[in-house]
Amino acid sequence: GDSVTQMEGPVTLSEEAFLTINCTYTATGYPSLFWYVQYPGEGLQLLLKATKADDKGSNKGFEATYRKETTSFHLEKGSVQVSDSAVYFCALSEGSGNTGKLIFGQGTTLQVKP
Amino acid sequence: NAGVTQTPKFRILKIGQSMTLQCTQDMNHNYMYWYRQDPGMGLKLIYYSVGAGITDKGEVPNGYNVSRSTTEDFPLRLELAAPSQTSVYFCASKEYSNQPQHFGDGTRLSIL
Repeated sequence: GDSVTQMEGPVTLSEEAFLTINCTYTATGYPSLFWYVQYPGEGLQLLLKATKADDKGSNKGFEATYRKETTSFHLEKGSVQVSDSAVYFCALSEGSGNTGKLIFGQGTTLQVKP
Repeated sequence: NAGVTQTPKFRILKIGQSMTLQCTQDMNHNYMYWYRQDPGMGLKLIYYSVGAGITDKGEVPNGYNVSRSTTEDFPLRLELAAPSQTSVYFCASKEYSNQPQHFGDGTRLSIL
């Protein structure tokens, strides 16, 4: 079945450092891909999305490109801030059927130190 | 604009008790979902609904039940609480199949 694999965390960076969180997927069909962020004690919020190959999603300085050839959707940010500390989830929506179900990776905790 | 509202935020149950986790959305979304999040894990789908009167099992449905009598509400029922059901539960909704899901703030449930 479909699956999503994220890099193990936690990731600890200093403020203004470059961030990459790796995400690869296995899917049949043509899924949409998402990054969600979860701040402590809160629900998940959509960070960005891409719906087809070579699409680039971007929001709040974060970017991710849908790479079909490498089945990847890595999250990047050029300069992280302390306020970016959170758990980041990569997810895909099933391309087949009409359920809109999401398959999540296990999440990567990011801690940014001043 | 409330979005997806979950109640209660926290609850402690004894083994064998039952309870209902409430979820309501005011966005007139057709699709609704229940997930559980265990420490260090991603979210696992429990049940989902593509419209009022229609529900289906997700990846981990055992020990849970749902109903969808209205578009707005999608309650999750635990009949005989077990320690393995200690988790954080999230409800989500979306308008169309290819749109992103909107999440509630979660219900933290402990079963002792």
